[in-house]
Amino acid sequence: NAGVTQTPKFQVLKTGQSMTLQCAQDMNHEYMSWYRQDPGMGLRLIHYSVGAGITDQGEVPNGYNVSRSTTEDFPLRLLSAAPSQTSVYFCASTPGSGLGYTFGSGTRLTVV
Amino acid sequence: GDSVTQMEGPVTLSEEAFLTINCTYTATGYPSLFWYVQYPGEGLQLLLKATKADDKGSNKGFEATYRKETTSFHLEKGSVQVSDSAVYFCAPSSGAGSYQLTFGKGTKLSVIP
Repeated sequence: NAGVTQTPKFQVLKTGQSMTLQCAQDMNHEYMSWYRQDPGMGLRLIHYSVGAGITDQGEVPNGYNVSRSTTEDFPLRLLSAAPSQTSVYFCASTPGSGLGYTFGSGTRLTVV
Repeated sequence: GDSVTQMEGPVTLSEEAFLTINCTYTATGYPSLFWYVQYPGEGLQLLLKATKADDKGSNKGFEATYRKETTSFHLEKGSVQVSDSAVYFCAPSSGAGSYQLTFGKGTKLSVIP
């Protein structure tokens, strides 16, 4: 099925550990984004990409890295996990302005 | 910067009641406007959109009209169902030609039989 696939769905990390959240889309969308969702905060943009090889920071980029080597994949790396990064993470893609995003089903991350 | 103010929830309605969720925004330029819905345990789904003034977006019985003069995009449905229970997010794009969205905090709707 066409869409945005995120893995894993759930993850528990210890403080200081690193990990990569995977995101892949098969719709040939140029634009991809990572958001985090926290209770009462809505969704906040972490990083985004306008195409392969191009990434930029969003509202809350600290502690996260991204890369975009292909159109399909946009992984999010946590460098040294902290309890403040406990959240639900969503990857999303869009073919362009005004067309709306397709979201993945999310990764629920707990840092202890 | 861009911002969105959404009606605070939670909102609890009886089945077949009328729904309004207010949304006002500030954004650079001339944004496109979106409503997303999140069902329990799932990601966000695009519910409807409008890309220019006075446009009405509609889907699944929900409607919202792009009001440029009041910078609003209120969501309405004439008769809600239990299956409409979800969290609803208003999200303008960051100005004309932009693909980035600013999300409201979300409004949780519970519909009881």
